Amino acid sequence: DAGVIQSPRHEVTEMGQEVTLRCKPISGHNSLFWYRQTMMRGLELLIYFNNNVPIDDSGMPEDRFSAKMPNASFSTLKIQPSEPRDSAVYFCASKEQDPGNTEAFFGQGTRLTVV
Amino acid sequence: DAKTTQPPSMDCAEGRAANLPCNHSTISGNEYVYWYRQIHSQGPQYIIHGLKNNETNEMASLIITEDRKSSTLILPHATLRDTAVYYCIVRPQGNMLTFGGGTRLMVKP
Repeated sequence: DAGVIQSPRHEVTEMGQEVTLRCKPISGHNSLFWYRQTMMRGLELLIYFNNNVPIDDSGMPEDRFSAKMPNASFSTLKIQPSEPRDSAVYFCASKEQDPGNTEAFFGQGTRLTVV
Repeated sequence: DAKTTQPPSMDCAEGRAANLPCNHSTISGNEYVYWYRQIHSQGPQYIIHGLKNNETNEMASLIITEDRKSSTLILPHATLRDTAVYYCIVRPQGNMLTFGGGTRLMVKP
């Protein structure tokens, strides 16, 4: 398996524009997580899905952020409109759903810069 | 989830063992101890996890105290490629991973 695949790897956009980040989890994994990492706040969990259903989105900063998982092999994180403070590295991770303590596998991240 | 406390940074000489401590004094009976690391510009990588017993795999060993209030991750022969931020996380089975500040390990030649 190629691991968790995120695209794009880098995104530079202007303030006010819509940004869509994409994630393909590892085949067979049914839990998916979106994280954001900044120097100031570290790694923050934004939202996670079990079996394509959002379970906890309490980490989503505000209504400008939305996440979807239309099927088991694809998820998106959308920011509309984007702001400079959204600049960060966004990671997607997937794992087999517990029970059965399993490790989470992370993608390489998308570095977002909003100017 | 239980809170963890780790030193913000540590140094280790190349080839020596790196011992990274973690305090989790409020851990409850069903919470596991997980360790991940993040090498610069990469996504976090799973290292090891345990509940009560000590664990060892090809990457590291995990020593959990008998009262489970602290643990130590041991990299037996650190290399320059082990320079990374190491995260200790405690979580119940079934919950998501919540990362703290971690320990920035610098392996020096």
